[in-house]
Amino acid sequence: EVQLVESGGGLVQPGGSLRLSCAASGFTFSSYEMNWVRQAPGKGLEWVSYISSSGSTIYYADSVKGRFTISRDNAKNSLYLQMNSLRAEDTAVYYCARVVVSSFDYWGQGTLVTVSS
Amino acid sequence: QSALTQPRSVSGSPGQSVTISCTGTSSDVGGYNYVSWYQQHPGKAPKLMIYDVSKRPSGVPDRFSGSKSGNTASLTISGLQAEDEADYYCCSYAGSYPFVFGTGTKVTVL
Repeated sequence: EVQLVESGGGLVQPGGSLRLSCAASGFTFSSYEMNWVRQAPGKGLEWVSYISSSGSTIYYADSVKGRFTISRDNAKNSLYLQMNSLRAEDTAVYYCARVVVSSFDYWGQGTLVTVSS
Repeated sequence: QSALTQPRSVSGSPGQSVTISCTGTSSDVGGYNYVSWYQQHPGKAPKLMIYDVSKRPSGVPDRFSGSKSGNTASLTISGLQAEDEADYYCCSYAGSYPFVFGTGTKVTVL
């Protein structure tokens, strides 16, 4: 069974940093592209970042470019999102999601990041 | 990259059909046959319902169907059921960006 489990969310002050993790199981993690998608409270889905299966190709949404860094460790079946210079507008549930044929076929349960003083 | 445009809400009675539109540009919806649709119940993670414009993943009822014409994609739910009440989001591949979501539509079963 495919499972994606996010962790690392919490309360952080504006300007602070946080590192999210996503533990994958039930599939060959190293063969799949992965993404982070977020959802602000009461708002819609927003794509955040993409990483290819090998980690060689990475993309970011304009809203996080220069502040967030996506990475993966295929040996540990894990996906990461390093978030720096956090702003109030980064407050959201962050989901990791697997990509197959340009669609997100499996999602984690999400981890809540709250940026507030 | 701007979000794809969806109606804020649609509604229908049990057994009826509803259609949700998703309007983009030639750089996303109109440029690729890579539109997907997601269902999200309150407090839950999104679930893939349609991919590649009109394909259904295993386990998704055939009441759900997708199509595309030009820069607009559509999701139709036929034979509406109570459990279909949820938020629905479209998503399109957009080249080097590479993904853009729709604004979301709340489906209400009357």
